[in-house]
Amino acid sequence: EAGVAQSPRYKIIEKRQSVAFWCNPISGHATLYWYQQILGQGPKLLIQFQNNGVVDDSQLPKDRFSAERLKGVDSTLKIQPAKLEDSAVYLCASSHVGDPTNEKLFFGSGTQLSVL
Amino acid sequence: GENVEQHPSTLSVQEGDSAVIKCTYSDSASNYFPWYKQELGKGPQLIIDIRSNVGEKKDQRIAVTLNKTAKHFSLHITETQPEDSAVYFCAARRPTGGFKTIFGAGTRLFVKA
Repeated sequence: EAGVAQSPRYKIIEKRQSVAFWCNPISGHATLYWYQQILGQGPKLLIQFQNNGVVDDSQLPKDRFSAERLKGVDSTLKIQPAKLEDSAVYLCASSHVGDPTNEKLFFGSGTQLSVL
Repeated sequence: GENVEQHPSTLSVQEGDSAVIKCTYSDSASNYFPWYKQELGKGPQLIIDIRSNVGEKKDQRIAVTLNKTAKHFSLHITETQPEDSAVYFCAARRPTGGFKTIFGAGTRLFVKA
């Protein structure tokens, strides 16, 4: 079974530039998550999708971050304009909600963003 | 909102010794407690989990314990090996509000050969 695919693996941009990350979840996983992981910290949820609908985006800085999952499969996360404090690893995860009591997260390898 | 605290932030053990990582959570409604292992350059990977109706679970060299009353849960790794060196995250998930999973800050485990 293929895992969660993310691209690019690394991205270096200057502040005020824009950047986009892509994620392809495990086939059949209806729930998709974007997490931000700042160096030395645990992953922090930015947004959660159920199919193509948003379940939770309470921690997403909506003035600069946006995300979409148009056909309920792939997802993109965009930052515009980027700030220095956005430097982090952006992790995508997916889960199968067939059994709500068994929702294990499967993570991709992440995109490491450096904002200079 | 839910908060998960994890200790210690760094742990160094000799190969063959045991390692224990402890977490506390704030939301008594949380009912699922997974542990993830993150190796350098990779995403976190689930290694073991426990539900609120169980006090202990074991899988080979790793075990988790849960004290619901005190809102504590712990990861125990016995007979540590160099390949156990990684960052370990505890997490807690509540059954409402989209099943949000909140992570601790992580413990960097070094196993010295």
